[in-house]
Amino acid sequence: DTAVSQTPKYLVTQMGNDKSIKCEQNLGHDTMYWYKQDSKKFLKIMFSYNNKELIINETVPNRFSPKSPDKAHLNLHINSLELGDSAVYFCASSQAGVTQYFGPGTRLLVL
Amino acid sequence: GQQLNQSPQSMFIQEGEDVSMNCTSSSIFNTWLWYKQDPGEGPVLLIALYKAGELTSNGRLTAQFGITRKDSFLNISASIPSDVGIYFCAGQPRSNSGYALNFGKGTSLLVTP
Repeated sequence: DTAVSQTPKYLVTQMGNDKSIKCEQNLGHDTMYWYKQDSKKFLKIMFSYNNKELIINETVPNRFSPKSPDKAHLNLHINSLELGDSAVYFCASSQAGVTQYFGPGTRLLVL
Repeated sequence: GQQLNQSPQSMFIQEGEDVSMNCTSSSIFNTWLWYKQDPGEGPVLLIALYKAGELTSNGRLTAQFGITRKDSFLNISASIPSDVGIYFCAGQPRSNSGYALNFGKGTSLLVTP
């Protein structure tokens, strides 16, 4: 019955590697998001997708690229990982509005 | 996006006490939301407010959308140990062309039995 799911929950990798985080929602929502939570717990929007179109990109480095194969999935691909990318990444979804439901998070550690 | 001013940063209270936290913004918001985050989990929606002046309850939780559209508060009555966690306010600014939320820095709540 998981509404918004993410994989993996933990991701430890070396600097310079490329990695992907997957997100799926079974709520039938039409908009999905990626947020980054830093070490001080501050949550900041990275991307949102509506009907397979990117509608927000908050000055995120172009090493980060969202990919949405269909309305229920929004994956996050990260190239050339840097130490500063270490954070918790949350996927969320909503139905054409602001009431967003969050996934459990992916804890990324770059060594 | 604009960061919301959320206070207090942390609270340490005894079980049974009431709790109040608030958020302010320098600009007008269309919607205010309150989330709770438990350790190792994602934020869980507690209350959503859609109209200025709206007062909404969810069990022991009560939240209000400020009449100026620039602030909101959350009250928790008769706190219990499972209320422990980080509470975030979030809002959608009126000028936002998408649906992204701006978040406060969170209020960390500790409840002792």
